[in-house]
Amino acid sequence: QKEVEQNSGPLSVPEGAIASLNCTYSDRGSQSFFWYRQYSGKSPELIMFIYSNGDKEDGRFTAQLNKASQYVSLLIRDSQPSDSATYLCAGGNFGNEKLTFGTGTRLTIIP
Amino acid sequence: NAGVMQNPRHLVRRRGQEARLRCSPMKGHSHVYWYRQLPEEGLKFMVYLQKENIIDESGMPKERFSAEFPKEGPSILRIQQVVRGDSAAYFCASSGTNRPFEAFFGQGTRLTVV
Repeated sequence: QKEVEQNSGPLSVPEGAIASLNCTYSDRGSQSFFWYRQYSGKSPELIMFIYSNGDKEDGRFTAQLNKASQYVSLLIRDSQPSDSATYLCAGGNFGNEKLTFGTGTRLTIIP
Repeated sequence: NAGVMQNPRHLVRRRGQEARLRCSPMKGHSHVYWYRQLPEEGLKFMVYLQKENIIDESGMPKERFSAEFPKEGPSILRIQQVVRGDSAAYFCASSGTNRPFEAFFGQGTRLTVV
């Protein structure tokens, strides 16, 4: 069983709509979660992190964490073509700083 | 404030040669991580280092791979006697002492073994 699982997609969303990316994790000890965006051939770029249950908003991005359901999501509002990328979900534990990544979800925003 | 710098960006090695990948963390960052990304796969943790110390190398293959982060200079990931299966993108990330999880990645080194 993979520790962090993501739907590999591809996920296609019309421009201006909300893109919803989902991630589940198996390690109940995971305490922090991160969303990275990776354009093809480029390095991962940290866009959101969340430690507490609930929602965290930053501009057009909202991260949601539900520790009881072991579920993390990323919502992108008003999707733009520049949001087209692979989104990586990662989890970590305090005191053990390595991150465990999912395989990523490829998102395409259709103009 | 320069970001995480990795070099070379691309590296071609013949089977059996050695590959040396270098990473300079962001200014003020003392934590360095190495990850490997195979085509169409996610990032896999390899090793976590602080200055002069290997903190966690649980993701490193037992043979041919080594890493260091000396007191002066960049972190080095060394792969001896490379094989075709070592072909991948190797990413370095760094973070600060107070926010160890918020890691910023370098541009990566794409290693091709021919």
